[in-house]
Amino acid sequence: ETGVTQTPRHLVMGMTNKKSLKCEQHLGHNAMYWYKQSAKKPLELMFVYSLEERVENNSVPSRFSPECPNSSHLFLHLHTLQPEDSALYLCASSQTGEWGGAKNIQYFGAGTRLSVL
Amino acid sequence: RKEVEQDPGPFNVPEGATVAFNCTYSNSASQSFFWYRQDCRKEPKLLMSVYSSGNEDGRFTAQLNRASQYISLLIRDSKLSDSATYLCVVSPGPGGYNKLIFGAGTRLAVHP
Repeated sequence: ETGVTQTPRHLVMGMTNKKSLKCEQHLGHNAMYWYKQSAKKPLELMFVYSLEERVENNSVPSRFSPECPNSSHLFLHLHTLQPEDSALYLCASSQTGEWGGAKNIQYFGAGTRLSVL
Repeated sequence: RKEVEQDPGPFNVPEGATVAFNCTYSNSASQSFFWYRQDCRKEPKLLMSVYSSGNEDGRFTAQLNRASQYISLLIRDSKLSDSATYLCVVSPGPGGYNKLIFGAGTRLAVHP
């Protein structure tokens, strides 16, 4: 295991539902990331939290709402999603502030596979 | 132009074959380079970092050509367990957090 845990692993929701994805890291890192991975596309960076402050929001629709209550936990709140939002959502963590080579490696959780009906 | 470009494959090779993957990146100021491996329906995992002088880890050899903005991964003596998607990953440099740019991946299928 990488030390990054995501729940749930699978989620099926209707377009009117509200749900949340959870990520927890046990690596002592201070940066956490949400990515979206659709079939045959590169990983798309959605949000970044560094030192619990959101530092990047890549034009993600407002139906996705991140929350980072502390450096170990990250949530992605979902509401009124569309079928095209069905994808694998991956959380990652890293130790920011240390630059160079292996220090900027990101470690990924197993992901939540989301299906929007 | 995509920031990181890879041949999507698939590469279908027999066990024991040598296979090479290539990757190009568009940002000449990029600082760090990696190969990640992603198994079907699993998360990406770091395979190896790529250094300017080239580096080797067992059957895997990575090369970086900064002048051509080109990265390669060579796998010798392929095993069935090497079947996966290989992601070329580039980091632009210091900027407050460790930003990674991922290629779409090259799929490898090793058959008996």
